[in-house]
Amino acid sequence: EAQVTQNPRYLITVTGKKLTVTCSQNMNHEYMSWYRQDPGLGLRQIYYSMNVEVTDKGDVPEGYKVSRKEKRNFPLILESPSPNQTSLYFCASSFLGQGYSGANVLTFGAGSRLTVL
Amino acid sequence: AQKITQTQPGMFVQEKEAVTLDCTYDTSDPSYGLFWYKQPSSGEMIFLIYQGSYDQQNATEGRYSLNFQKARKSANLVISASQLGDSAMYFCAMRLRNSGNTPLVFGKGTRLSVIA
Repeated sequence: EAQVTQNPRYLITVTGKKLTVTCSQNMNHEYMSWYRQDPGLGLRQIYYSMNVEVTDKGDVPEGYKVSRKEKRNFPLILESPSPNQTSLYFCASSFLGQGYSGANVLTFGAGSRLTVL
Repeated sequence: AQKITQTQPGMFVQEKEAVTLDCTYDTSDPSYGLFWYKQPSSGEMIFLIYQGSYDQQNATEGRYSLNFQKARKSANLVISASQLGDSAMYFCAMRLRNSGNTPLVFGKGTRLSVIA
């Protein structure tokens, strides 16, 4: 089944304790991205990657790191989590390109609900 | 910059009736895609339907159809024969079609409640 897999789905942690949210896709997509969803603010892009070893900041990158060493994986790293990073996180992936077939539909993972105390 | 506006924070519809969820967008780029996603209470984002800016016909996917009016910059979602399982948040989103970073820009969403 074509999918984006995120882990963990739920996590409660404390301020300052480093954590990694993993993301893996099995669709050979070039493009991967992380979003966070907060009440009243909607979904905002954190980081994105257009291919292996190519990553860049989205709208809200502060406090996060990413890496793209393999095409299928795009982990999100919180080096020193703070309470304002409590949120619902989504990893998403798609093909790149300018096709008109809808091939650049973003497929989302199931979400990771993170609470930082 | 792109912007998506969903003016209906919440909607109610009777089971088996049709419902229209409004979406207007703003972009100066001629090449873009419009998407609708459903987010049930379990939290996942489920892709429903896609419309390309150059598509001549309105997109349809089962009970979902997209009423695309390019001159008005609107992309309303029509759900026919509503079911209780359609109760969820619905997000309209836009993505430019170019070779750079193409984030999906979301509206604030509409919460649909289907009443038996």
